Amino acid sequence: GAVVSQHPSRVICKSGTSVKIECRSLDFQATTMFWYRQFPKQSLMLMATSNEGSKATYEQGVEKDKFLINHASLTLSTLTVTSAHPEDSSFYICSARSRTSGGSNEQYFGPGTRLTVT
Amino acid sequence: QKEVEQNSGPLSVPEGAIASLNCTYSDRGSQSFFWYRQYSGKSPELIMFIYSNGDKEDGRFTAQLNKASQYVSLLIRDSQPSDSATYLCAVNAQAGTALIFGKGTTLSVSS
Repeated sequence: GAVVSQHPSRVICKSGTSVKIECRSLDFQATTMFWYRQFPKQSLMLMATSNEGSKATYEQGVEKDKFLINHASLTLSTLTVTSAHPEDSSFYICSARSRTSGGSNEQYFGPGTRLTVT
Repeated sequence: QKEVEQNSGPLSVPEGAIASLNCTYSDRGSQSFFWYRQYSGKSPELIMFIYSNGDKEDGRFTAQLNKASQYVSLLIRDSQPSDSATYLCAVNAQAGTALIFGKGTTLSVSS
């Protein structure tokens, strides 16, 4: 199956600093990548949809200036949490949809990045 | 507001039994339906997807879709303790758009 990686898997940072999370599709080209956030015991909440070469589309309530998304290639998307605060501590997960999937719509998740802001 | 509803559980079944997980969705135009399994502290893992009405079987798993009733289910036969996890139902309106997730049902399989 399709493999999606994320780096780092876990990061601890101080309040006010910025953190970059990378999401890579390892064995396929991803036309679209999605960024989710999951708080403890809650479901995944979509933050933004990222299409290669274009600006990301953010969900209502997600600050685009705080959560910067770059999808520079068909295999890499990055999420930068700027000026992180403790309330940004969460599990961030990306998913990718294969370019060659044709009419199918399977999305594959990365292993997630656990962010802790102290 | 497009919604996906699941019973949060926990659903408890003994080892070897059939576990039945249910999901309803509000958007009648939904095209694709997915079941993911999520272990605590891990990201979701795709188990099955189904696009057409009826049943789709893959090993111990069977997905059932009824678009008229806006209902999708997952049956797990011969449940094992390793199946204990949260099962997320996800629905997609059209290809390329993001999945809409339910809150998940926690399954506990006792040995």
